Amino acid sequence: NAGVTQTPKFQVLKTGQSMTLQCAQDMNHEYMSWYRQDPGMGLRLIHYSVGAGITDQGEVPNGYNVSRSTTEDFPLRLLSAAPSQTSVYFCASSRARGSYNSPLHFGNGTRLTVT
Amino acid sequence: DAKTTQPPSMDCAEGRAANLPCNHSTISGNEYVYWYRQIHSQGPQYIIHGLKNNETNEMASLIITEDRKSSTLILPHATLRDTAVYYCIVVPGAGSYQLTFGKGTKLSVIP
Repeated sequence: NAGVTQTPKFQVLKTGQSMTLQCAQDMNHEYMSWYRQDPGMGLRLIHYSVGAGITDQGEVPNGYNVSRSTTEDFPLRLLSAAPSQTSVYFCASSRARGSYNSPLHFGNGTRLTVT
Repeated sequence: DAKTTQPPSMDCAEGRAANLPCNHSTISGNEYVYWYRQIHSQGPQYIIHGLKNNETNEMASLIITEDRKSSTLILPHATLRDTAVYYCIVVPGAGSYQLTFGKGTKLSVIP
């Protein structure tokens, strides 16, 4: 199993450009989520999904869109990139909707720089 | 949701036990304590979790106090590869899916 796969690993954008960060998991997990990690800030939840067709906002959703058309994929879209979105982005998934008795599996991150 | 408090950093000699504390004094009865670690800039890795009983797996042991207000992660024989940031989080019970990661504890294993 590949687990949680994130692409690309690195990306540089100019202010105002758009892009999609890809996340795919092959574990048939219902729950998927996106976090961003800034230096000294820990991990902050952007959006999450408890199943195909269902998404919800996390702690810092502004500037990001998500969709969940399949169980496997959970892309994160930046419609108009801003320097404040420079960060490392992690996708995570877990087996159960409630996730309280099911560990999160993380991808290895996408390092995004917006100039 | 319960929040956690961890020391920002700790050192441990190689080969000794590393004991990482976590305070979660507002934890509710149906909330689990989870530990993850992040080595360098990789994605966080699950270590162990528990509800009220002590737990052990091949990576670590988790000791939860009887009142559940604090816990300790124990790495029995720390190696240099255990140098990482360790996160203690409280996972809400059914009906809430937002998991909050704080800044964790930076563990440095010293040769």
